[in-house]
Amino acid sequence: GNSVTQMEGPVTLSEEAFLTINCTYTATGYPSLFWYVQYPGEGLQLLLKATKADDKGSNKGFEATYRKETTSFHLEKGSVQVSDSAVYFCALSDIRYSTLTFGKGTMLLVSP
Amino acid sequence: ETGVTQTPRHLVMGMTNKKSLKCEQHLGHNAMYWYKQSAKKPLELMFVYSLEERVENNSVPSRFSPECPNSSHLFLHLHTLQPEDSALYLCASSLDRELETQYFGPGTRLLVL
Repeated sequence: GNSVTQMEGPVTLSEEAFLTINCTYTATGYPSLFWYVQYPGEGLQLLLKATKADDKGSNKGFEATYRKETTSFHLEKGSVQVSDSAVYFCALSDIRYSTLTFGKGTMLLVSP
Repeated sequence: ETGVTQTPRHLVMGMTNKKSLKCEQHLGHNAMYWYKQSAKKPLELMFVYSLEERVENNSVPSRFSPECPNSSHLFLHLHTLQPEDSALYLCASSLDRELETQYFGPGTRLLVL
């Protein structure tokens, strides 16, 4: 079956630091890949997505590239802000199952 | 504002109570979902509805009973829950169930005593 593995958190950074949150996946076929973000007390919001190999999703300074050869979709941001503190979820969508499979989430804490 | 609302935002109930969670989407979507989010576990898909018809039930205990009266509303009826059912219950919707981006509500934080 499908699975998503994310690095365990929390990830603690100072403002303006570089961020990487690792995500690898196992899937049959050619899934679409997503990053969702959950701010405290809120539901999940789509941050970015990529639908095929070598696609790069980007939004709000965050980027992730769909790497089929390494089955990865790592999230990066060049300079984090305190307001980026949240839980980040990597997910995949498989056309066979038409559902999302989520990772466990990685908490990011950014201090001033 | 995500276009998906959930009520109540917080709920405390005893194991013998019956309660319902409500989800409403204002996005014109055809598919709706219930997820359970527990601490330190991945999001668990519970139910999927497409055009008001249940298309997936992920081995959820019968003490959880979904209802989708129309494409804009989704309910989760709860009865004789257990303390381990305490979690954040998230509703989501998508234009269709085929690989479409899902939009989430803020969730209902449920505590079962």
